[in-house]
Amino acid sequence: DAGVIQSPRHEVTEMGQEVTLRCKPISGHDYLFWYRQTMMRGLELLIYFNNNVPIDDSGMPEDRFSAKMPNASFSTLKIQPSEPRDSAVYFCASTPTSGVSRQYFGPGTRLTVT
Amino acid sequence: DQQVKQNSPSLSVQEGRISILNCDYTNSMFDYFLWYKKYPAEGPTFLISISSIKDKNEDGRFTVFLNKSAKHLSLHIVPSQPGDSAVYFCAASRTGTASKLTFGTGTRLQVTL
Repeated sequence: DAGVIQSPRHEVTEMGQEVTLRCKPISGHDYLFWYRQTMMRGLELLIYFNNNVPIDDSGMPEDRFSAKMPNASFSTLKIQPSEPRDSAVYFCASTPTSGVSRQYFGPGTRLTVT
Repeated sequence: DQQVKQNSPSLSVQEGRISILNCDYTNSMFDYFLWYKKYPAEGPTFLISISSIKDKNEDGRFTVFLNKSAKHLSLHIVPSQPGDSAVYFCAASRTGTASKLTFGTGTRLQVTL
């Protein structure tokens, strides 16, 4: 089975533009997570979904960030408007309900906001 | 506030020697701990985990030790190989939090020839 798929792999945009990152979780996984990786803070959890429903969005930094999961095989993370401090690598991860905590990560999207 | 801390941003070890990566946590409610390995331009991949009911878990060359009283865990890699060069993240979770993980900032391990 394919792993977690993210697109695009790289995104360069100008400050003020809208950015949309996409994720396809592993089929059959009930949980989907969005993370942001920075040097200073490591991997930060932004939001996670269970069965397409947002459970905890306490990590979303500002109202400029929003995430949706319209169905079990697709999720988006949107930043509007983007700012240079949003530059980071964004990861999507998924996990099945069984067991604990082992998450499967996608390859990430490197976002650069100029 | 960083609840999971990896105070060494980098570590260099010679091939064949032992690598020891350390992790401290502050939340006493954490009861499950994981180590992830990350290569450049790839997502983190699961390496090894340990439940708080244990103090040691071993998988081949990798062993994780947990000291609950000190709120400290460590990852030992013996012997270290050049392919182990990567960033290692420590992560922690609580029962009942639906797989939510709290990650540290990572330690970059370089294994030299």
